[in-house]
Amino acid sequence: GDSVTQMEGPVTLSEEAFLTINCTYTATGYPSLFWYVQYPGEGLQLLLKATKADDKGSNKGFEATYRKETTSFHLEKGSVQVSDSAVYFCALRNSGNTPLVFGKGTRLSVIA
Amino acid sequence: DAGVIQSPRHEVTEMGQEVTLRCKPISGHNSLFWYRQTMMRGLELLIYFNNNVPIDDSGMPEDRFSAKMPNASFSTLKIQPSEPRDSAVYFCASSTTGGESQPQHFGDGTRLSIL
Repeated sequence: GDSVTQMEGPVTLSEEAFLTINCTYTATGYPSLFWYVQYPGEGLQLLLKATKADDKGSNKGFEATYRKETTSFHLEKGSVQVSDSAVYFCALRNSGNTPLVFGKGTRLSVIA
Repeated sequence: DAGVIQSPRHEVTEMGQEVTLRCKPISGHNSLFWYRQTMMRGLELLIYFNNNVPIDDSGMPEDRFSAKMPNASFSTLKIQPSEPRDSAVYFCASSTTGGESQPQHFGDGTRLSIL
């Protein structure tokens, strides 16, 4: 079945450091790919998405490019802030009638 | 626009009591999902509905758990009787069935503590 694998956390970075969170997927067909963010005490929020190969999703300084050849969707940000501390989930959806398939999440802590 | 609304936000109750969690999806969304999140097991899909019909309840842990969606704007997740191991954050999410590009929108969750 479909699956998503994320790098294990926690990831701890200093403010203004470069962030990469790796995500790879296994799926039949041509899924859409998503990154969600969960701040402490809150629900998951959509951060960005990409719906076809070579698409780049971006939001709030975060970016991820849909790489079909490597089945990857790595999340990047050039300069992280303390306020980016959260748990990040990579996910895919293969059909409009089925749920998203989530990775296990990666906890990011940014220290000043 | 109102997002997914869950109630209560927090629930503390004693073992053996019945617990009912409520969810109002985003208007116009026709898929609804219930998740449970714990430190040990992460985010687990419990059940989902399309057009108010339960499609897959294979994630429901035991017969003590049940979920209903009597209409397009309301769903409940019930635990009876509750046990301490049911303590978790329960999330409801909704989406349209407009294709695989549609994201799921999550509520803020219900933090459930069973004593």
